[in-house]
Amino acid sequence: GEDVEQSLFLSVREGDSSVINCTYTDSSSTYLYWYKQEPGAGLQLLTYIFSNMDMKQDQRLTVLLNKKDKHLSLRIADTQTGDSAIYFCAEGDGNQFYFGTGTSLTVIP
Amino acid sequence: DSGVTQTPKHLITATGQRVTLRCSPRSGDLSVYWYQQSLDQGLQFLIQYYNGEERAKGNILERFSAQQFPDLHSELNLSSLELGDSALYFCASSGTTTGNEQFFGPGTRLTVL
Repeated sequence: GEDVEQSLFLSVREGDSSVINCTYTDSSSTYLYWYKQEPGAGLQLLTYIFSNMDMKQDQRLTVLLNKKDKHLSLRIADTQTGDSAIYFCAEGDGNQFYFGTGTSLTVIP
Repeated sequence: DSGVTQTPKHLITATGQRVTLRCSPRSGDLSVYWYQQSLDQGLQFLIQYYNGEERAKGNILERFSAQQFPDLHSELNLSSLELGDSALYFCASSGTTTGNEQFFGPGTRLTVL
């Protein structure tokens, strides 16, 4: 399958910005996604971006895509304790989907 | 609550056995996706069904099979179970053909002893 890489852990202080990074290998992916998984729960889609876009902003979330470097990032502004969770990036073509290993975000009060 | 239901919530069984996991998609969603989440392999896409037909296959073992019924619910059958099959199995549904808006169920935790 395709390779989607993420760092495993990130800690930030409440109120700071969090930036979660992801690299992927499949340049033919049409869509790139960010999901959030809270303990004991399924995945929740946060946002997605078409591969021909560079940036997408949705309230506190900003997604940046560098297609040349195959690098995707998710910035969470004004991070809150409720943002503590595992964040997965994923790539897909509408039929097949490949997920990263997940980044565990801890928000320190 | 995503609107996707999965049963059972937990399943404990022995090696060599066969189990069936069930998923009911959100009302009106035609697409169902199955995923396996394990500690060593992360979250892996297994298979997708759209309106009763298999649409895409991911890393699904030959011992595993799935189907989607006319009422759109889906079942994932796991046979000749091995210890390594212990994992969380998620089902997701989508109302779009692109699968961009996938809604995940709470998962079934399978433990193989």
